[in-house]
Amino acid sequence: AQKVTQAQTEISVVEKEDVTLDCVYETRDTTYYLFWYKQPPSGELVFLIRRNSFDEQNEISGRYSWNFQKSTSSFNFTITASQVVDSAVYFCALSELGSNYQLIWGAGTKLIIKP
Amino acid sequence: SAVISQKPSRDICQRGTSLTIQCQVDSQVTMMFWYRQQPGQSLTLIATANQGSEATYESGFVIDKFPISRPNLTFSTLTVSNMSPEDSSIYLCSVKGQGVYEQYFGPGTRLTVT
Repeated sequence: AQKVTQAQTEISVVEKEDVTLDCVYETRDTTYYLFWYKQPPSGELVFLIRRNSFDEQNEISGRYSWNFQKSTSSFNFTITASQVVDSAVYFCALSELGSNYQLIWGAGTKLIIKP
Repeated sequence: SAVISQKPSRDICQRGTSLTIQCQVDSQVTMMFWYRQQPGQSLTLIATANQGSEATYESGFVIDKFPISRPNLTFSTLTVSNMSPEDSSIYLCSVKGQGVYEQYFGPGTRLTVT
């Protein structure tokens, strides 16, 4: 059965530290999609990235980077030089091909960046 | 990405009443989704709303409690009926982008039932 695990419930770091949010997934499908979303205190969910199962290339976008490893079924998210504005709940999600685009959500990781 | 708005942004309602939440998109989309997010929790899919067909509800959600309308490709409503305090949540609509797999979300409706 499909499942997404975000074992870190809450992470607190001081500004400018690097922080990695873990995401481990389970699926039997060979074609699937992984996502990260950010939910700041305002509540709106912001799409950050989508990764296809056949593309294991890591991605960097400014201070954000994502490490996708099929061998460990992980899709981790690293924020470099964190800023207070990065404080939010971050969700990892999985969608299997043929699931009618439904997302399986992780429990979320609350990230607190202290000034 | 689509621009999505929701009305109301928040409301406080009395037990036993109903609230209709509107979701408006600035472009035509085939698939719209309604989610519930209880305080401190992850998202739970209520139903998928495709234009021209009945909404498809997930396990644990029924049409009598959460009727959905999808009159056209840019608009949908979700009604929370006969509310109880357990319905206090954030309700979010999302759309699947054209040609992509990700969903884009509206700002959410924060509902408190007293």
